[in-house]
Amino acid sequence: SAVISQKPSRDICQRGTSLTIQCQVDSQVTMMFWYRQQPGQSLTLIATANQGSEATYESGFVIDKFPISRPNLTFSTLTVSNMSPEDSSIYLCSVVTGSQPQHFGDGTRLSIL
Amino acid sequence: QKEVEQNSGPLSVPEGAIASLNCTYSDRGSQSFFWYRQYSGKSPELIMFIYSNGDKEDGRFTAQLNKASQYVSLLIRDSQPSDSATYLCAVNDGGFKTIFGAGTRLFVKA
Repeated sequence: SAVISQKPSRDICQRGTSLTIQCQVDSQVTMMFWYRQQPGQSLTLIATANQGSEATYESGFVIDKFPISRPNLTFSTLTVSNMSPEDSSIYLCSVVTGSQPQHFGDGTRLSIL
Repeated sequence: QKEVEQNSGPLSVPEGAIASLNCTYSDRGSQSFFWYRQYSGKSPELIMFIYSNGDKEDGRFTAQLNKASQYVSLLIRDSQPSDSATYLCAVNDGGFKTIFGAGTRLFVKA
């Protein structure tokens, strides 16, 4: 399966600031997704990152708060904007290659003070 | 709304026993089914996938699928303390998206 590198692995940020999370894959993938996992909770899909076009956001998530880029088939970024303590969570990048199951990066553990 | 339901647990089994994890899903058109294991503080790791009715075995793990009952299960034989984790059941929505259950916490007591 593809090797997924996610950066940063963790960060502590001040409220009102923004953080950009990067997801790099070692091979071209069909789909890239961004998830959030709040403490003790399951995975919540934020959006599907579309190559060369605007991401497709799930209900409850908007582009102004979570802008996403995917300039090519191996790289995507998620920005968490104007952060508040409620944004403290683990953010996960996942990828699909062809008909293979989804695989996850190691995640970014984000704490907002 | 498409849903995947799991008992949150915790499920506690003694070392060496069989752990049985269960999952139901709402979309009768689902074709692909997955089990992920997530250790505390780590990201989910795919451990099994199954597409056809019946059983699929891989080492100590067996996935079972019954599409008529919309039921998926995971059996872990000879459970080890290292199997203690949260197990996420996941179902493909017919497209590229995957719907995840809330997970079942498993504790294997030494």
